[in-house]
Amino acid sequence: SQQGEEDPQALSIQEGENATMNCSYKTSINNLQWYRQNSGRGLVHLILIRSNEREKHSGRLRVTLDTSKKSSSLLITASRAADTASYFCATDYSNFGNEKLTFGTGTRLTIIP
Amino acid sequence: GAGVSQSPSNKVTEKGKDVELRCDPISGHTALYWYRQSLGQGLEFLIYFQGNSAPDKSGLPSDRFSAERTGGSVSTLTIQRTQQEDSAVYLCASSFANGRADTQYFGPGTRLTVL
Repeated sequence: SQQGEEDPQALSIQEGENATMNCSYKTSINNLQWYRQNSGRGLVHLILIRSNEREKHSGRLRVTLDTSKKSSSLLITASRAADTASYFCATDYSNFGNEKLTFGTGTRLTIIP
Repeated sequence: GAGVSQSPSNKVTEKGKDVELRCDPISGHTALYWYRQSLGQGLEFLIYFQGNSAPDKSGLPSDRFSAERTGGSVSTLTIQRTQQEDSAVYLCASSFANGRADTQYFGPGTRLTVL
C-alpha cells in the first residue's frame, strides 16, 4: 500500500535553529497534511497543502509541495523546546477526496535547550 | 467547542476477550475515521464512515474487527477474541468531509494492551 516516507527518521537540533523534515510519496494525491504527535497519543493538525499549491505558511511553519518529485517538506523556523515531538506527513489520494489518510512512519524531532 | 473524545483512554484485556472502543466525533462532522498505531509506527487506516455507512472498510485487519456508527455521531470499534498483536493505540478522527479536502481532527486515542 502507498505510504509516505519521512526523512530523517530522527532529528536533534539546538533550540533556535531551523528544522527541516521531508516526506516522499508514491502516487498522485489530492492533498498532503502534516501532523504533530506528542507522547504517542493524539495528533494535532499543523497544515494542509492541496495538490495545486506549492507553498503554504502558518506561523513558524512553512510547507512546500513538489508534485513532480512527489515530495513535501516541513520547515520549522526558530525552533523551541516545545516543538519536540513526532511529525507525520499524511497523504489523501482517495477518489472522492478526504476519505482516508495514509501516514508515514514519522520524524522524531528533539529540540535541545 | 469540544473536540473528538474517545473512551476508555486505556484498556487492558486478556487474550481471547472482546473489547469495545468508543469515539465521539465533533458535532456536525459527517465523516469519521478509525486508525491504529503500533508502538513506534505510523498510523494505519482501519475504516471510514460517511454518516452511518462505511464506504471503506479496507483497513480492517481481520473479521475479528468490526465497527458501527449510529445517528451519524458516536462510533464503536469492536475487536472480538483479542490477540496480542492487537495491542496498539486506536485513534479516531472526524471531519466535515463535504467531498473536498478537509482537516481530520483526532481524539486522544485508546491504548489497548492485550495480555
